[in-house]
Formats: sequence, C-alpha cells, structure tokens
Amino acid sequence: GENVEQHPSTLSVQEGDSAVIKCTYSDSASNYFPWYKQELGKGPQLIIDIRSNVGEKKDQRIAVTLNKTAKHFSLHITETQPEDSAVYFCAAARRGYSSASKIIFGSGTRLSIRP
Amino acid sequence: DVKVTQSSRYLVKRTGEKVFLECVQDMDHENMFWYRQDPGLGLRLIYFSYDVKMKEKGDIPEGYSVSREKKERFSLILESASTNQTSMYLCASRPGTGGNSGEKLFFGSGTQLSVL
Repeated sequence: GENVEQHPSTLSVQEGDSAVIKCTYSDSASNYFPWYKQELGKGPQLIIDIRSNVGEKKDQRIAVTLNKTAKHFSLHITETQPEDSAVYFCAAARRGYSSASKIIFGSGTRLSIRP
Repeated sequence: DVKVTQSSRYLVKRTGEKVFLECVQDMDHENMFWYRQDPGLGLRLIYFSYDVKMKEKGDIPEGYSVSREKKERFSLILESASTNQTSMYLCASRPGTGGNSGEKLFFGSGTQLSVL
C-alpha cells in the first residue's frame, strides 16, 4: 500500500522568511496530493492540492510542487506570518477512486513562526 | 460551510470501559471516516463508511468498531478501552465520488480521549 514520508517534523522560521516542507510517496499510481493545515484546537483543513497532471500550483503565498519521477512533492510558504504557525500534513491518494479508497497522510510538520 | 461535529472535546475513561465517540455531519456526505492522531505518526485511518450501514476497515481497526445507522452520523466504538487507545480521534466526511469537489475531507475538531 501507499506510504507517505514527511520532513521535517518540526520547523522554525523567522517571520517573513520562507518555509518548505517535503514529502515522498511510494505508490506510483497515486495522482492526488493534498496539504492540510491544523491549527491549535481544530481539525485539519485543506489549504491546497495538486494533481499529477501538473508540476506546480500556487495560491497567494502558498505553492506546491510535484516531481512524479522522483515521487516527491513539497509545500512552499513565502513571506511567513504568525498565523502560518500550525501543523501541516501532506497526503497522497488516487484521484477518481471509488468511495472505498483511502487518503494516506504523512506524519506532520509543526511549523513555528518566530516574531 | 460543511460542519462536522464531534460530541465531546475531551473524554476520560477507565480501562475496560466501552466508549462511544459520536460524529455528525450536516452536508449529506456519503463518506465518513475515523482517524487517530498521535505525535510523530500523523493521521491513521481506523474505519470508514461509504454509505449507510456500510463500513470498511482502515489501517488500524483492531480494538475498534463503527456504526452508521443514519447518513449523517458515524460512531466509533471502543469495545474495551485500553491505555494504548489514549489519543486524539478525528472524524471526517467527504462527498461522493466524481468531480473535483469529491476529494476534500472535512474534519471535526477532534476528541482527546484519555484511558486511565
């Protein structure tokens, strides 16, 4: 089955700097890669996703890149702000799958933004 | 906005007790999921359901069962709670298959369960 590895487990960056979180996956059939953000006391929320037919996707200060050959994908946050402090999870799944299919999550990265 | 509500934010139970965790979603989603969140292990799927009365095992179903008698409600049951089931439990829902909107998971705020 699919296995998703995520690094680093913790990350501290200065406010205004960039943060990068990296994930690798094992199942070459995976074609959907979402990123979830979990703020303190809340459930994870989808912040951005990418499908295997594109190599990069941006949404304001957030971008994701995907390298299908190497089977890794990354989350990039630019101009970090205090509200970016949270736990981030990457995940992998097969898009267009049946209801019975699963999304496999990475182990999470705790991002802290230093003022 | 979709709302996924978990009945308790914090729960303390004793070893051997039968524990029920309840989850309700208000957007008529076909699919519902129970995850367990532990530090360093991410989110691990316990059980999921793609229709009323239908259920499938996830990656760590041992010691758990589920019930889905109504579309909006998905219950996680710990038949005999043990200390290694102390964890954060997250419920999620997702629309049916097909379309770009069908993949997004909507999570509840979680139930922190402590088994003493």
